[in-house]
Amino acid sequence: DQQVKQNSPSLSVQEGRISILNCDYTNSMFDYFLWYKKYPAEGPTFLISISSIKDKNEDGRFTVFLNKSAKHLSLHIVPSQPGDSAVYFCAAILGGNEKLTFGTGTRLTIIP
Amino acid sequence: GAGVSQSPSNKVTEKGKDVELRCDPISGHTALYWYRQRLGQGLEFLIYFQGNSAPDKSGLPSDRFSAERTGESVSTLTIQRTQQEDSAVYLCASSPGTGFTGELFFGEGSRLTVL
Repeated sequence: DQQVKQNSPSLSVQEGRISILNCDYTNSMFDYFLWYKKYPAEGPTFLISISSIKDKNEDGRFTVFLNKSAKHLSLHIVPSQPGDSAVYFCAAILGGNEKLTFGTGTRLTIIP
Repeated sequence: GAGVSQSPSNKVTEKGKDVELRCDPISGHTALYWYRQRLGQGLEFLIYFQGNSAPDKSGLPSDRFSAERTGESVSTLTIQRTQQEDSAVYLCASSPGTGFTGELFFGEGSRLTVL
């Protein structure tokens, strides 16, 4: 039972353009969402998060949008840079619980 | 050390053998997690330790899997009688355990290959 889904296994974007990575979830009790980035042979690193009481959080080139009614979140990267090429995982947390449920990941490739 | 340290980085074993994977969390981090990533899959939760509380073992896939942690230090994940489907990268993460923000600090992982 995959509670957090990333339906696009891969995405290619031209350098300088906007990258949009999508994530859907099924459990309406999730109240905190995060994005992690993973380079080959390294562990994932935290990128950005959003609480369910917000619909947008921005940090530099990265913005996360949350649509609770659609149980959907997205990560926007603008402008995209070659160093953004990595696998991106979305993750969700149930209130009061410190266990993250991860999606399957989307491999982003930025084309120079 | 500065980050989460895992060993071995690579382990090749024969089906049926036992393996032990080690994780050294960031000093002072009370929470420790084990996840695994099988080829083409996402990160799958295995087990979570928080201080002296009973661990959350809800993600362990079978009774061949067990994990221990001594206090707030090193953890070992043991897989008995390994099977080919156990082949994966096993990732350990730690977090401060207070003022939880969802940010986990991951090690580089231990790649297990079962022949």
